[in-house]
Amino acid sequence: LAKTTQPISMDSYEGQEVNITCSHNNIATNDYITWYQQFPSQGPRFIIQGYKTKVTNEVASLFIPADRKSSTLSLPRVSLSDTAVYYCLGRSGSARQLTFGSGTQLTVLP
Amino acid sequence: EPEVTQTPSHQVTQMGQEVILRCVPISNHLYFYWYRQILGQKVEFLVSFYNNEISEKSEIFDDQFSVERPDGSNFTLKIRSTKLEDSAMYFCASSAGIAEQYFGPGTRLTVT
Repeated sequence: LAKTTQPISMDSYEGQEVNITCSHNNIATNDYITWYQQFPSQGPRFIIQGYKTKVTNEVASLFIPADRKSSTLSLPRVSLSDTAVYYCLGRSGSARQLTFGSGTQLTVLP
Repeated sequence: EPEVTQTPSHQVTQMGQEVILRCVPISNHLYFYWYRQILGQKVEFLVSFYNNEISEKSEIFDDQFSVERPDGSNFTLKIRSTKLEDSAMYFCASSAGIAEQYFGPGTRLTVT
């Protein structure tokens, strides 16, 4: 996302809900927003994907407002194993190029 | 569960040498991708491939890079003349449609 903003890092405690927001003011109008999780020395792993409003699966929820200039990944009741970097992915710019956000390092504390 | 595999896991090469990174996508997937991740930085899109041709590429994917699907299972990324700044983790991904992508474990390329 050409002008994307994610918090660099977040800390949470086990059992809490965590919300990570990605701001993308130049997203393509008709493409999905996808979130990935990455552990050190591993490839990104798909978490959830949406186009607008709210999507929920067995691990997360994704909230996308009507203007689609941001998206919020919600992880309910995080555990230590959720410590990872979280990226949003979408298409942006005139070329509608696939672009990862800058990533948010989530650290879950006991 | 099917997975994307990549070989080698680590490749060390000298500047100016050619390297070929190999990937075996998930068998029924139709879309293939290469990304790179410089140490400590975010993942960057390089190229996508569909129907035996490049469907899109980033500005990083210049004439030094090429991709090929030489047979029904492999998908390769070639860097013709490596530079020091090509040192990175290279990830292959595949997808059945245009959305959810499955990533491989990556190949760490070190150019000396």
